[in-house]
Amino acid sequence: EVQLVESGGGLVQPGGSLRLSCAASGFTFYNYAMSWVRQAPGKGLEWVSSISDSGGTTYYADSVRGRFTISRDNSKSSLYLQMIGLRVEDTAMYYCAKRRGGSLDYFYHMDVWGKGTTVTVSS
Amino acid sequence: DIQMTQSPSTLSASVGDRVTITCRASQSISSWLAWYQQKPGKAPKLLIYKASSLESGVPSRVSGSGSGTEFTLTISSLQPDDFATFYCQQYNTYPHTFGQGTKLEIK
Repeated sequence: EVQLVESGGGLVQPGGSLRLSCAASGFTFYNYAMSWVRQAPGKGLEWVSSISDSGGTTYYADSVRGRFTISRDNSKSSLYLQMIGLRVEDTAMYYCAKRRGGSLDYFYHMDVWGKGTTVTVSS
Repeated sequence: DIQMTQSPSTLSASVGDRVTITCRASQSISSWLAWYQQKPGKAPKLLIYKASSLESGVPSRVSGSGSGTEFTLTISSLQPDDFATFYCQQYNTYPHTFGQGTKLEIK
């Protein structure tokens, strides 16, 4: 069974940092691109970032570029999101999601999602 | 960025009804559109990809259509399990933007 389990969320002060992790199982992790998507409380979904199967290509939403870094460790079947300079508006549930293929240069949708980890930015 | 606009924002319907949700893109996205269903406190679930391809395990009463800038999600005969919030997402161009969501409520 394909499974994604996020961790690393918590309460952090504005300007602080967090590193989210996503542990993947049930599929050949290094063959698939991955993404992070977030959802602020009571709001809709917002795509945050994507990374290719090799980790060599990444994309970011304007709202997080320069503050968030997506990465992966294929030897550990794990995806990460390093977040610095956190703002109140980054408060959200953060989901990791598997893409249907490996490249970011082709049109692959997200087909499997984790249950999410909550990030709260507040003083 | 490509703007995705869903209508209606809220839809009230009864079990057995046929419902349609519309998603419009601010520019052409070919057929690179997915539909997701989300229930309260749960992760989104993929229903439709490439505008009209039904994800494995999704009931055949769910269907998608459209191309270019206008897309629809149709549920032919609502079941109790269908009441949720639905999102469209384009994956033609980064950033991969979502619609604002359509909440399907029981009438």
